[in-house]
Amino acid sequence: AQSVTQLGSHVSVSEGALVLLRCNYSSSVPPYLFWYVQYPNQGLQLLLKYTTGATLVKGINGFEAEFKKSETSFHLTKPSAHMSDAAEYFCAVSDLPGGTSYGKLTFGQGTILTVHP
Amino acid sequence: DAGVIQSPRHEVTEMGQEVTLRCKPISGHDYLFWYRQTMMRGLELLIYFNNNVPIDDSGMPEDRFSAKMPNASFSTLKIQPSEPRDSAVYFCASSPTSPGTGSEQYFGPGTRLTVT
Repeated sequence: AQSVTQLGSHVSVSEGALVLLRCNYSSSVPPYLFWYVQYPNQGLQLLLKYTTGATLVKGINGFEAEFKKSETSFHLTKPSAHMSDAAEYFCAVSDLPGGTSYGKLTFGQGTILTVHP
Repeated sequence: DAGVIQSPRHEVTEMGQEVTLRCKPISGHDYLFWYRQTMMRGLELLIYFNNNVPIDDSGMPEDRFSAKMPNASFSTLKIQPSEPRDSAVYFCASSPTSPGTGSEQYFGPGTRLTVT
C-alpha cells in the first residue's frame, strides 16, 4: 500500500524566514501529489498539487513544491513565512489507475507549522 | 456554492448511545469521502462513495460503524454503540472526479465527537 512520510511533526520558524516542510512517498510509480493545509477548527483545503508536467508547482499564499522522482519527494517551501501561515500541513498521494491506492488519498501524519514574531 | 456541509459541528454523547453524523456534498460531485482525525492516528479514510455506491470501506474500524448515501446530496455515518475511543473529528469531503485523476477533495468543517 502507498505510504507518505512527513519528516518533523512540528516545525518552528521566525516570521520572514524560509519555510521547508518535507514529504516522501513510497510508490515506485510516481503518483499524484497534494499538499493540504488545515487551520485551527477548520477542514483541509488544497494548497497545491502535482499531476503531470512541470515538476515545480506553485500554489496559493506563496507556497510551492517540487516533485523529485529520483528522491520520491515532494517538499513544500515558502521563501518568507507570515504569521498567518501557522497551521497544520498535510502531504497526500493518490495512485494512478492500476495502483493499490487508486481512487483515494493517502495522507501523511501532518506537520504543525509555528511562526514566531 | 456553500461548500461541503456537515452537521452537527459538535456532538457529546454517552458511551453506548447511537451517533449519526450528516454530510451534504457539493452539488455535482460524484465522490464522497468520510475521514476520521485523531492525535494518535492522524487522518484516516473510513469509506468513500462513487455515485452513491460504497467503493472502499476497508477503513471502517468495526461493525459498529456504518455509512450510507441514499442520494447524491446526503450521506450519514452512524456509530452504534459509541465508545470513548470513537472520540475524534470526523470530516466529510467531496470531489468531482476520482483523486486518481488528480482531482481536489473539498472538505467540510468537521464534526467533533466526544464520547464520555
